[in-house]
Amino acid sequence: SYELTQPLSVSVALGQTARITCGGNNIGSENVHWYQQKPGQAPVLVIYRDSNRPSGIPERFSGSNSGNTATLTISRAQAGDEADYYCQVWDSSTVVFGGGTKVTVL
Amino acid sequence: QVTLRESGPALVKPTQTLTLTCTFSGFSLSTSGMCVTWIRQPPGKALEWLALIDWDDDKYYSTSLKTRLTISKDTSKNQVVLTMTNMDPVDTATYSCARASPGSAFDIWGQGTMVTVSS
Repeated sequence: SYELTQPLSVSVALGQTARITCGGNNIGSENVHWYQQKPGQAPVLVIYRDSNRPSGIPERFSGSNSGNTATLTISRAQAGDEADYYCQVWDSSTVVFGGGTKVTVL
Repeated sequence: QVTLRESGPALVKPTQTLTLTCTFSGFSLSTSGMCVTWIRQPPGKALEWLALIDWDDDKYYSTSLKTRLTISKDTSKNQVVLTMTNMDPVDTATYSCARASPGSAFDIWGQGTMVTVSS
C-alpha cells in the first residue's frame, strides 16, 4: 500500500519560512492535499491539488509537488500557524494520510 | 453554508458494533461528484481514513478495516451511516465525517465525536 512520510516536527522562527515535506513514491504524479489541525479542532483544508488555496486561506500558505516529495510552505510564520499538518493523497480508490508534522513557531 | 455533524455512542464495549451517523446540510449527496467520507483519530495520533460513499452509491473502504466497515447513505435524510463491527479498545478515537469529491480533498469537516471502547 502507498505510504506518505512526514517529519514528526518542524520548528520555525516567527516571521520566517517553514517547509513541511511529504514523501511518497512518485508522489509528483498524484494530487496532494494538505490539512491544518489545531489542538481540539477539526482539520482544515489549506492546500488542495498540490498548490491551490481554498478561499479564506492566507497567501502565506503555498504548496508544490515534484518527484518523490510534496512540500507545504508557510511564509512569514505566525504564532497562529502552530498546528499539526497532514498531507493526503488518493491511491487506488483508497485514501492515504501522512503521519502528520507538528509545527512550532519559536 | 455546508455543515456536517457526527452522532453516536460515546462508549461501546469490546466486541460490540459501533454505529455512527453523519448528518449534513448545505449540499446533496444526490448531486454528481459529491461524496461523504469518514476519518478517525486516536488520541494523540494521526488521521486515519476509514470509508467513503459517493453520489452514485459507490463505496470505498480502508484496506486494513474493510472487513469490519459498512457505509451507507440516506439521501432523503441527508445522512451517511458508518458501522464498525467487533470494536476493540484500540478503536478508541474521535470519528469525523467530511465532504469530498472523488480524487479530491476533504473540504469541509464535522467537529468529530469521541468514541471510547471499554468494558
